[in-house]
Amino acid sequence: DAGVIQSPRHEVTEMGQEVTLRCKPISGHDYLFWYRQTMMRGLELLIYFNNNVPIDDSGMPEDRFSAKMPNASFSTLKIQPSEPRDSAVYFCASSLGWGGDEQYFGPGTRLTVT
Amino acid sequence: KNQVEQSPQSLIILEGKNCTLQCNYTVSPFSNLRWYKQDTGRGPVSLTIMTFSENTKSNGRYTATLDADTKQSSLHITASQLSDSASYICVVSASNSGYALNFGKGTSLLVTP
Repeated sequence: DAGVIQSPRHEVTEMGQEVTLRCKPISGHDYLFWYRQTMMRGLELLIYFNNNVPIDDSGMPEDRFSAKMPNASFSTLKIQPSEPRDSAVYFCASSLGWGGDEQYFGPGTRLTVT
Repeated sequence: KNQVEQSPQSLIILEGKNCTLQCNYTVSPFSNLRWYKQDTGRGPVSLTIMTFSENTKSNGRYTATLDADTKQSSLHITASQLSDSASYICVVSASNSGYALNFGKGTSLLVTP
């Protein structure tokens, strides 16, 4: 398996624009997680899905952020409108189960909002 | 409030030396503790996952310890290599409803020749 795939790897956009980040989890994994990482705050869990259903979105910073998982092999994280403080590295991860199961992270998308 | 504190914030050691990274947490009720290694520009990679009943777990030159009574964990790296230069992140899960993860801010390790 190719691992977790994320696109794009880098995104530079202007404030106010819509940004869509994409993720393909490892085949057969039932859980998908979206994280954000900044120097100030470290790694933060934004939302996670189980069998394509959002389970906990309490980490989503505000209504400008939304995430979907239309099928088992694809998820998106959308920011609309984007703001400079959204600049961060966004990671997608997947796991077979939860609790003690290992999470496999993608390479991340580095987002810069100017 | 659930918190995870890591120390030191950064560390520089000579190649071949050993080092120990610390993780203190106040997460309750405890479910498990994970150590991740994150190379620059890459996603975190799991090193160990420890549950309440486990005191020690090894992964090659990495050995993690857990003291659930004092709520402390350590990650010991033996005979460090240049490739060990990375950020090491401690993540503690709470066993209450849902999948509550609590993240440390990481220790940045630099191994020099």
